[in-house]
Amino acid sequence: KAGVTQTPRYLIKTRGQQVTLSCSPISGHRSVSWYQQTPGQGLQFLFEYFSETQRNKGNFPGRFSGRQFSNSRSEMNVSTLELGDSALYLCASSWALGDTQYFGPGTRLTVL
Amino acid sequence: KNEVEQSPQNLTAQEGEFITINCSYSVGISALHWLQQHPGGGIVSLFMLSSGKKKHGRLIATINIQEKHSSLHITASHPRDSAVHICAVLHSTDSWGKLQFGAGTQVVVTP
Repeated sequence: KAGVTQTPRYLIKTRGQQVTLSCSPISGHRSVSWYQQTPGQGLQFLFEYFSETQRNKGNFPGRFSGRQFSNSRSEMNVSTLELGDSALYLCASSWALGDTQYFGPGTRLTVL
Repeated sequence: KNEVEQSPQNLTAQEGEFITINCSYSVGISALHWLQQHPGGGIVSLFMLSSGKKKHGRLIATINIQEKHSSLHITASHPRDSAVHICAVLHSTDSWGKLQFGAGTQVVVTP
């Protein structure tokens, strides 16, 4: 069974641009969560989706948004990029809420 | 202040040594995860536990709900155990998917 995949793996953008990151969960998993990891703040929760519904959102500005499609694939979008958005963005999937999460390899975003 | 505290921050051990990483949290939780992150970023979930003890190979995780404390033990450590080990908690009132993370413990095991 294929693991969680994230695309792209690496991305370089400039301030003010917007970016869309994609996550494909393990087949059959309906729960997808997104996390941001930076050297200063460590890992922080961004969003959680289950069956196309956002169940929870972390303490991030409205520039960060996301969605989940009927096939459980998820995307997150960051608009008006800032230097501080440079981070590793990780997505994780699970069969259901409460099950063990399986993490993808992450997308490393650099904002110049 | 981070509600999830890990110690030590860094740990160096020789191959074969027994390693313990500690995690303390300040409020009630529904479950606790131990995660392992190797250089390059990939994260692997080692354990999810809400009580007692779990064992997988050379790894053992314990949790004491009353004392709000968990430990991850690595027996007969090996250089491939070199990674950042992260404790993450799910609070009782929060969604299952919303993890709160510790800062991580950098483990280096030398041959």
